[in-house]
Amino acid sequence: DAGVTQSPTHLIKTRGQHVTLRCSPISGHKSVSWYQQVLGQGPQFIFQYYEKEERGRGNFPDRFSARQFPNYSSELNVNALLLGDSALYLCASSTGTGHEKLFFGSGTQLSVL
Amino acid sequence: AQSVTQLDSHVSVSEGTPVLLRCNYSSSYSPSLFWYVQHPNKGLQLLLKYTSAATLVKGINGFEAEFKKSETSFHLTKPSAHMSDAAEYFCVVSDTGGYQKVTFGIGTKLQVIP
Repeated sequence: DAGVTQSPTHLIKTRGQHVTLRCSPISGHKSVSWYQQVLGQGPQFIFQYYEKEERGRGNFPDRFSARQFPNYSSELNVNALLLGDSALYLCASSTGTGHEKLFFGSGTQLSVL
Repeated sequence: AQSVTQLDSHVSVSEGTPVLLRCNYSSSYSPSLFWYVQHPNKGLQLLLKYTSAATLVKGINGFEAEFKKSETSFHLTKPSAHMSDAAEYFCVVSDTGGYQKVTFGIGTKLQVIP
């Protein structure tokens, strides 16, 4: 079975632009969560979606939004990019909303110039 | 509110010697606690998980961790380090008070010296 897949793997944008990152969970997993990992720090929780509904949101501005599709894949959107948005964006999937094991993708490395 | 403090940003051990990676947590609810490992250019992988069952948790690759409520600690140990253990390790807390919000520590980079 395929693991969690994220696309693209690398992305370069300029300040003020918009970006969309994509994530496909493991087959059978209904929960997707997103994390931002700035160099030298641990991942920070951005969103969790389960059954197409937002179930959790971290301390990120409204420029960050996400959605989950009927096939449980997910998109993370970031508007009006800032230099500080440069980071590795990780997606994780799990079977539910409890404390099940999270399966992580390899991430999308976003560079904002 | 929940938080995690990893007490060492870097730990260096010789191959074959014990590993101790320290983690303290804070949580308003009964927490679930995890250790994840991140090898260079690879995704995060779960090492072990505590969810209010046995306080001593055994994980993969010979790692284990002990939950100590009185000390609010969840330190990761391994009796004998292997070269392949060199990686970054993250302690993670997830409280049971609501949705699945997880908080990662800043990570401990483990160096294993041959």
